[in-house]
Amino acid sequence: ETGVTQTPRHLVMGMTNKKSLKCEQHLGHNAMYWYKQSAKKPLELMFVYSLEERVENNSVPSRFSPECPNSSHLFLHLHTLQPEDSALYLCASSQVPGTDTEAFFGQGTRLTVV
Amino acid sequence: TQLLEQSPQFLSIQEGENLTVYCNSSSVFSSLQWYRQEPGEGPVLLVTVVTGGEVKKLKRLTFQFGDARKDSSLHITAAQPGDTGLYLCCTDKLIFGTGTRLQVFP
Repeated sequence: ETGVTQTPRHLVMGMTNKKSLKCEQHLGHNAMYWYKQSAKKPLELMFVYSLEERVENNSVPSRFSPECPNSSHLFLHLHTLQPEDSALYLCASSQVPGTDTEAFFGQGTRLTVV
Repeated sequence: TQLLEQSPQFLSIQEGENLTVYCNSSSVFSSLQWYRQEPGEGPVLLVTVVTGGEVKKLKRLTFQFGDARKDSSLHITAAQPGDTGLYLCCTDKLIFGTGTRLQVFP
């Protein structure tokens, strides 16, 4: 496989459930990102990981918990979500973190919280 | 407030028309990028502009970086249905703009 792969593509979960989103990149990149995209808001940067260390957390509620076990894998653990958390969650990677770098995106996970 | 404001938010045009999309900020950036996102896919990079006043062309798409490196524009000549999508500008730190959703009808 090449590029950035996200699973699952679609997820429906209840507000009391616990689920995880998975992202895997086969590009040899050192930085990985989680974004949230909803109909009402533009692409919102949630978390940034550089060499498996979290370098940015943009005031994201604690019900979203990221994990980066190695430079190729990124997870987003979800628990006690709200209906307003329903959105497209996009993972991206880049060669280097920080500035002037191209982001490569996965196809996203469409999350619906019921 | 949004770091990068794009206008218009929505644009619906006929095939063959020209259009311009704007990306504005009060901040200065070392570079700006433009991405296009099609339904069911993640955004894909179209171009990166680095130098103030720089103009880059990608077939029928022309990108310009403002002289003060605070804004950018995307001009599409003779739009085609395949140009339909969400156009996003992006800062040098991968913060995205508000987006312009373009629909080109045959």
